[in-house]
Amino acid sequence: EVVLTQSPATLSLSPGESATLSCRASQSVGSYLGWYQQKPGQAPRLLIYDASNRATGIPARFSGSGSGTDFALTISSLEPEDFAVYFCQQRSHWPLTFGGGTNVEIK
Amino acid sequence: EVQLLESGGGLVQPGGSLRLSCAASGFTFSSCAMSWVRQVPGKGLEWVSSISESGTSTYYTDSVKGRFTISRDNSKNTLYVQMNSLRAEETAVYYCAKFIFCESNGRWGAFDIWGQGTVVTVSS
Repeated sequence: EVVLTQSPATLSLSPGESATLSCRASQSVGSYLGWYQQKPGQAPRLLIYDASNRATGIPARFSGSGSGTDFALTISSLEPEDFAVYFCQQRSHWPLTFGGGTNVEIK
Repeated sequence: EVQLLESGGGLVQPGGSLRLSCAASGFTFSSCAMSWVRQVPGKGLEWVSSISESGTSTYYTDSVKGRFTISRDNSKNTLYVQMNSLRAEETAVYYCAKFIFCESNGRWGAFDIWGQGTVVTVSS
């Protein structure tokens, strides 16, 4: 099973600042990694698929990078609605797996 | 509007059974592979099971193999999961989710559409 390790667990930032979230895979997943945002009481929302492709309707301030085992999600300038939990997920190997999440909180 | 609507959650005793349903609308359901993903309250996401467009191929996380069965009825645009021998630790919100790439020969991609979730509580 591919283990995805996200860091940091919590990121405390102010609106307008940039955020960089990390996701490291225990083995190569190629570019088959996605990022999701989840707010309390809501279902996850797809932000990025296949490492760097923004999903439909996702603002340009969200960008993804990386390949192999190291990936990053960057939010260029945090908006108030961006404070949430972010998960990465790989689709390279069965079973599909998710990272443990990074909580982006308001400082 | 593309939409997934789960139902069937509830309280069940350990060892009991439950069948969840997910009604799809706004897209060609029969062309898209589907999945179930669960989340223990306050915890992370766990993929549970996936099924191909026609239903001929199914995939499960190890912990549910032999106990859960995913299926679909393309004539009713509905996804199901039959959950037997439920355990307390399987108390969670269960989401159905659609893969982003449809008619893609197994290269299904990430989950682009999610339902609102249905709560399953396993407790005596």
